[in-house]
Amino acid sequence: NAGVTQTPKFRVLKTGQSMTLLCAQDMNHEYMYWYRQDPGMGLRLIHYSVGEGTTAKGEVPDGYNVSRLKKQNFLLGLESAAPSQTSVYFCASSYRDREQGTGELFFGEGSRLTVL
Amino acid sequence: SQQGEEDPQALSIQEGENATMNCSYKTSINNLQWYRQNSGRGLVHLILIRSNEREKHSGRLRVTLDTSKKSSSLLITASRAADTASYFCATGHAGNMLTFGGGTRLMVKP
Repeated sequence: NAGVTQTPKFRVLKTGQSMTLLCAQDMNHEYMYWYRQDPGMGLRLIHYSVGEGTTAKGEVPDGYNVSRLKKQNFLLGLESAAPSQTSVYFCASSYRDREQGTGELFFGEGSRLTVL
Repeated sequence: SQQGEEDPQALSIQEGENATMNCSYKTSINNLQWYRQNSGRGLVHLILIRSNEREKHSGRLRVTLDTSKKSSSLLITASRAADTASYFCATGHAGNMLTFGGGTRLMVKP
């Protein structure tokens, strides 16, 4: 009964390094999301996907890229990490609510990234 | 900019009291959702209320939605120490995006 799994849970990077966060869900959800959470800012949407092979920009997409090659996986990449990207990253997935669009989100436990 | 804004930002009450949190938003929505986050954990969905609904209950939770005022409230009755957490409202819009507010930090003292 895994739900949404994020790896890694913790990572420290140096400025300019690259890395990929992996999100996997086993609920056959169509929609997947990447959010970042900073103190006092709530959650801000980075990128999202409404299906395999499709991605879209959210509120704060700059400096990040994503891919959804398989329905169950959603990858978030940082090509050249900056200290401003120090944050906690959350992946989420949801079913499609036929009437209302976005349904209930299921979240992973988060990935804490520090960029020095 | 964030769509939803919670009020208050922090709330401290005694066990057994009721806790009320409010959420205001700016543009039209398809639905509004409330989430809970324990310290250091992911968010957990509490309740979803559609734009054509006015009130919804789930256990000790009661959510109201007033689309004319663009506001919602979450009431937790008979609070417990285990209810200590941050609570977020999130607004669902056309285009499959869910936008979160900054949250209310609730502390329930035993």
